[in-house]
Amino acid sequence: ETGVTQTPRHLVMGMTNKKSLKCEQHLGHNAMYWYKQSAKKPLELMFVYSLEERVENNSVPSRFSPECPNSSHLFLHLHTLQPEDSALYLCASSQESVRGQKLFFGSGTQLSVL
Amino acid sequence: AQSVAQPEDQVNVAEGNPLTVKCTYSVSGNPYLFWYVQYPNRGLQFLLKYITGDNLVKGSYGFEAEFNKSQTSFHLKKPSALVSDSALYFCAVRDGPLNFNKFYFGSGTKLNVKP
Repeated sequence: ETGVTQTPRHLVMGMTNKKSLKCEQHLGHNAMYWYKQSAKKPLELMFVYSLEERVENNSVPSRFSPECPNSSHLFLHLHTLQPEDSALYLCASSQESVRGQKLFFGSGTQLSVL
Repeated sequence: AQSVAQPEDQVNVAEGNPLTVKCTYSVSGNPYLFWYVQYPNRGLQFLLKYITGDNLVKGSYGFEAEFNKSQTSFHLKKPSALVSDSALYFCAVRDGPLNFNKFYFGSGTKLNVKP
């Protein structure tokens, strides 16, 4: 167990639905991330929150909306998604102040958009 | 631009044989290099990292990686493969503390170890 928990593990949604992905880290870290993993592609960094402020937004479409209410929780709100958004969404956390810090990942949410 | 290349989509090796998973990188500053492994239906797990010092880095589960600055490579190696090593392996680079939030990942290499 890595200390980063994601729910749900699987999600199937229609293009008009609204859903949210949840991530919780139990490691006392101060940075949290959303990544998108598609087959045979590099992991795509979507959002980074550092000390609860968004510090990175990699030109992600507005149909993805992140929320970080505190340093332990991260959400990804989804609405009017497209089939090409189907992927594994990974949450990660790290401790910024540590040199050479590594990422700790959750198990991901496998999203299917119909 | 920073990038990571994993030239092989898949590597097949027999159990007991040595394995190598290749990674090359491009980064503007001093590289911080990482290897992660992903088992089915799981997130990525940290294997090892190179920050500075000895070019040969040892990590979890008997894996090691060699940093080669002139070839800008960071290949993952293991002297004797196990069937349980079968998984998806990702190389990643971070371009130092000034952009410490930016990890750049490769596209992954699927390792198949056959009995």
